[in-house]
Amino acid sequence: NAGVTQTPKFQVLKTGQSMTLQCAQDMNHNSMYWYRQDPGMGLRLIYYSASEGTTDKGEVPNGYNVSRLNKREFSLRLESAAPSQTSVYFCASSWGTDTQYFGPGTRLTVL
Amino acid sequence: AQSVSQHNHHVILSEAASLELGCNYSYGGTVNLFWYVQYPGQHLQLLLKYFSGDPLVKGIKGFEAEFIKSKFSFNLRKPSVQWSDTAEYFCAVKGGQAGTALIFGKGTTLSVSS
Repeated sequence: NAGVTQTPKFQVLKTGQSMTLQCAQDMNHNSMYWYRQDPGMGLRLIYYSASEGTTDKGEVPNGYNVSRLNKREFSLRLESAAPSQTSVYFCASSWGTDTQYFGPGTRLTVL
Repeated sequence: AQSVSQHNHHVILSEAASLELGCNYSYGGTVNLFWYVQYPGQHLQLLLKYFSGDPLVKGIKGFEAEFIKSKFSFNLRKPSVQWSDTAEYFCAVKGGQAGTALIFGKGTTLSVSS
């Protein structure tokens, strides 16, 4: 039981490049989330998916898109990366409103 | 708008000292409350949570938190900290209805010296 897994662990991009962050969970959770963590800002919600087939914007969605590929997988895409998107990205999952379980994070640097 | 406020940005303690980290939230309805911990270089882990019932909840590693509804507070406590408690601590609040997002405080960094 791996819990929540994320790939890649580290990534360096140049401004304007695109990339997709992958997230998968094996806990049969229906809800999945993407957060970004910045120093002194805590975690801020980018997008979430309350159930398979639905996605909703969080607090900071600009510059990102998401895809809930199936119940297990929830990907985050940066179409044209900007230095302001340098951050640590965490995926999480939960069963409804219950506890969210977090993945190990992806550290992204945009030059 | 919903918000979570953590009063202390950085707390420095010696081993065996007592700990209390403040957390206040702004939310009009039923809430679920959480404390998460992030050890250096690791991902967030759940310390404890409150959904309903006894307002004093106990979590892992000797931590506890008390929900005081009238004060909109959910403070984290530990009677005697250890060096291994050095970490960042996040308070988080979620509305009781399905589909509501988890709102995090900005975090408190705890440094424990041996």
